[in-house]
Amino acid sequence: DAEITQSPRHKITETGRQVTLACHQTWNHNNMFWYRQDLGHGLRLIHYSYGVQDTNKGEVSDGYSVSRSNTEDLPLTLESAASSQTSVYFCASSDPGTGYEQYFGPGTRLTVT
Amino acid sequence: QKEVEQNSGPLSVPEGAIASLNCTYSDRGSQSFFWYRQYSGKSPELIMSIYSNGDKEDGRFTAQLNKASQYVSLLIRDSQPSDSATYLCAVNPFGNEKLTFGTGTRLTIIP
Repeated sequence: DAEITQSPRHKITETGRQVTLACHQTWNHNNMFWYRQDLGHGLRLIHYSYGVQDTNKGEVSDGYSVSRSNTEDLPLTLESAASSQTSVYFCASSDPGTGYEQYFGPGTRLTVT
Repeated sequence: QKEVEQNSGPLSVPEGAIASLNCTYSDRGSQSFFWYRQYSGKSPELIMSIYSNGDKEDGRFTAQLNKASQYVSLLIRDSQPSDSATYLCAVNPFGNEKLTFGTGTRLTIIP
């Protein structure tokens, strides 16, 4: 069955370190998205991609970057982790052929100390 | 004005009753509308999609869309304790492949 996976599921890191969160989908979807979810803010879009070599900034992109070298993967990198980036991170994917329904990965809980 | 608005709740409903969740959106050109269920500590799960005015039923769930009034609702019939979760409304604005999410309504079903 097609699925979307994220790793690691939990991560503790120190302020200033570079961190990469992985997202892998086997839906063969063109579109992939990264969100963070914090109490009181709901889901906020960090970065998104509509295909290989395409990346775009979302509403809270400062301090984050992504790259898309193939259809299946969209890794999210925190360049220099800050305590404000402590959050739960979700990856999602969608395809125009399915009405833009987004399917979510299980999430990564990141703590920056 | 937020693009997608939901009452944050909590909404408490007795077991077996109908739970009614509402969502309003600001972009009149929005085309696609979704309801996600999110259990505590889990990821959002798509439960309903609706694209045209009217009602769409799937088991105990009914989504209702009124584009003229710019609202979409979710009805859960015969509510069960397992329906206790946060429900997120999401909207696909015109010409956009992204979704805009509301902040969610927390629903509690009381046994």
